Amino acid sequence: QVQLQESGPGLVRSSQTLSLTCTVSGGSISSGPHYWSWIRQSAGKGLEWIGHIYTTGSTNYNPSLKSRVNMSVDTSKNQFSLNLSSVTAADTAVYYCAREDAWSNDYWGRGTLVIVSS
Amino acid sequence: DIQMTQSPSSLSASIGDRVTITCRASQGISTWLAWYQQKPGKAPKLLIYAASSLHSGVPSRFSGRGSGTDFTLTISSLQAEDFATYYCQQANRFPHTFGGGTKVEIK
Repeated sequence: QVQLQESGPGLVRSSQTLSLTCTVSGGSISSGPHYWSWIRQSAGKGLEWIGHIYTTGSTNYNPSLKSRVNMSVDTSKNQFSLNLSSVTAADTAVYYCAREDAWSNDYWGRGTLVIVSS
Repeated sequence: DIQMTQSPSSLSASIGDRVTITCRASQGISTWLAWYQQKPGKAPKLLIYAASSLHSGVPSRFSGRGSGTDFTLTISSLQAEDFATYYCQQANRFPHTFGGGTKVEIK
């Protein structure tokens, strides 16, 4: 059974960079034609797709965040990561990592709350 | 971006009721649609992918239909564990957008 776990700071200063890592267990991140996604959920905007990355490093980002987002993958550690720069209070949310299969997200992490403070 | 509009935003139903939730896309998305269930404090869980395919382990009382712009999620006989919020998501075009959710509450 594939499991995902987000990790990273729960509090980030405004204008700084939010950095999260997702560790995949129960299977290799390189197996299968899967993308690996980041999705966030805030009270104000509901669920928002941030983007996804393939194990080759190929990415697709939400245009609304594209100028601030960078995703990377480390197959040797079975991890993928999210960096979101120049954060503001609007970036406060629960951040989920997920596996994408057949263009749907079939396995999700538990989510991690990130609060942006001024 | 493709806008996904769910209706109703909330509903009250009783155990055993048949419940239908609608999701409408602002443009055609073929069958690139998924449905998720989310309970408070938990991550969403995949129920349906490709508009009508039941995800592994999901009870058969859940079903999905539709193509193009109009989709439905039906729970044939509502169970206690089905009280939750349901979301649709399109994956036809980037960004993959979600509907605003439908909260199913106990009547």
